Amino acid sequence: GENVEQHPSTLSVQEGDSAVIKCTYSDSASNYFPWYKQELGKRPQLIIDIRSNVGEKKDQRIAVTLNKTAKHFSLHITETQPEDSAVYFCAASKRGGKLIFGQGTELSVKP
Amino acid sequence: DTAVSQTPKYLVTQMGNDKSIKCEQNLGHDTMYWYKQDSKKFLKIMFSYNNKELIINETVPNRFSPKSPDKAHLNLHINSLELGDSAVYFCASSRGGLTNEKLFFGSGTQLSVL
Repeated sequence: GENVEQHPSTLSVQEGDSAVIKCTYSDSASNYFPWYKQELGKRPQLIIDIRSNVGEKKDQRIAVTLNKTAKHFSLHITETQPEDSAVYFCAASKRGGKLIFGQGTELSVKP
Repeated sequence: DTAVSQTPKYLVTQMGNDKSIKCEQNLGHDTMYWYKQDSKKFLKIMFSYNNKELIINETVPNRFSPKSPDKAHLNLHINSLELGDSAVYFCASSRGGLTNEKLFFGSGTQLSVL
């Protein structure tokens, strides 16, 4: 079945640095790749998503890139701030399929 | 107004008891879900309903029984609770069928089985 691997499991950066989280997926039919942010004790919330007809998408300080050939997608956060500290989840799904989440990355931004 | 609301927020109970968690969405979405988040933060889908019909039923013990009286509500009943059921349970909804759409999560129910 579909599998999504996410790395690293923890990431610590200094405020102002960039952070990159990487995911790979197994099902080549996957065509939707969202990223969710979950702050401590809160619900997961969608921060950005990308579909397979697009290679890159940006929204202010966050961007996602997709390499369909390698079945790989990444989240990039620039100019990190303490409020970016959270657990980030990648996910993948195909039409008619279920959304499979990666294992999560705990990002810590140190002031 | 809260888009996806679930109750209770905390649930502490003894092994062997039966408990229910309720979920309601006021977004007019067609699809609702239950996810389980374990102590390692892993989010795993349990069930999904589209317009009151069960469309995803993962490998979940049959002690867990979802019920959808209408497309705005999806409740989760758990019989004979076990220690391993302790987790945070999230309800979610999405506009269309299945999962190529943004998920809106509820605030979660932290279940502790003693």
